[in-house]
Amino acid sequence: ETGVTQTPRHLVMGMTNKKSLKCEQHLGHNAMYWYKQSAKKPLELMFVYNFKEQTENNSVPSRFSPECPNSSHLFLHLHTLQPEDSALYLCASSQAGEAGELFFGEGSRLTVL
Amino acid sequence: GQQLNQSPQSMFIQEGEDVSMNCTSSSIFNTWLWYKQDPGEGPVLLIALYKAGELTSNGRLTAQFGITRKDSFLNISASIPSDVGIYFCAGQPSGSARQLTFGSGTQLTVLP
Repeated sequence: ETGVTQTPRHLVMGMTNKKSLKCEQHLGHNAMYWYKQSAKKPLELMFVYNFKEQTENNSVPSRFSPECPNSSHLFLHLHTLQPEDSALYLCASSQAGEAGELFFGEGSRLTVL
Repeated sequence: GQQLNQSPQSMFIQEGEDVSMNCTSSSIFNTWLWYKQDPGEGPVLLIALYKAGELTSNGRLTAQFGITRKDSFLNISASIPSDVGIYFCAGQPSGSARQLTFGSGTQLTVLP
């Protein structure tokens, strides 16, 4: 059982669809993150949750809606996305206060048609 | 915000050669980290550096936290095919901002 598990691994959706990405961590961490990875660009931090509370929203458009029901689970709800939102979405976890030592999931590859 | 300049963007080397890549910033960082991302996987932490001047090794990998706190390098000695992947530097800036800033990555290809 891997430390951070993301589902689905691949997702294709139309611009009018609603879908969700799921992340689960089995490491006992209490901070969870969503990152966006586009080709040839640095990882972009989207959201941070510490002890289930959102502590950072990096100016992310409202068509991305995160949800953190507990310290082990993190969701990213997607609605009316744009083609430029196509990317690899990475979930990560860490001990709160140790933002450096991130443990990443394998990512969800999103394609918006 | 802070930006990291990572170079080179890509490298093609022969198996057995040594590799060096680096990151620089105009800002001071408290922590430097190096991650590797295999194809189809998420990044994995290779080395973490917490003090200026610190030199840390992990097997064939060696990384250093620059004295000025504005740069770091990663060396890989005697490269092997499984070293292929994208290597990212990341830094935790000083001051109130706690989240990592990532470089744009170095794509490493090892030729047999």
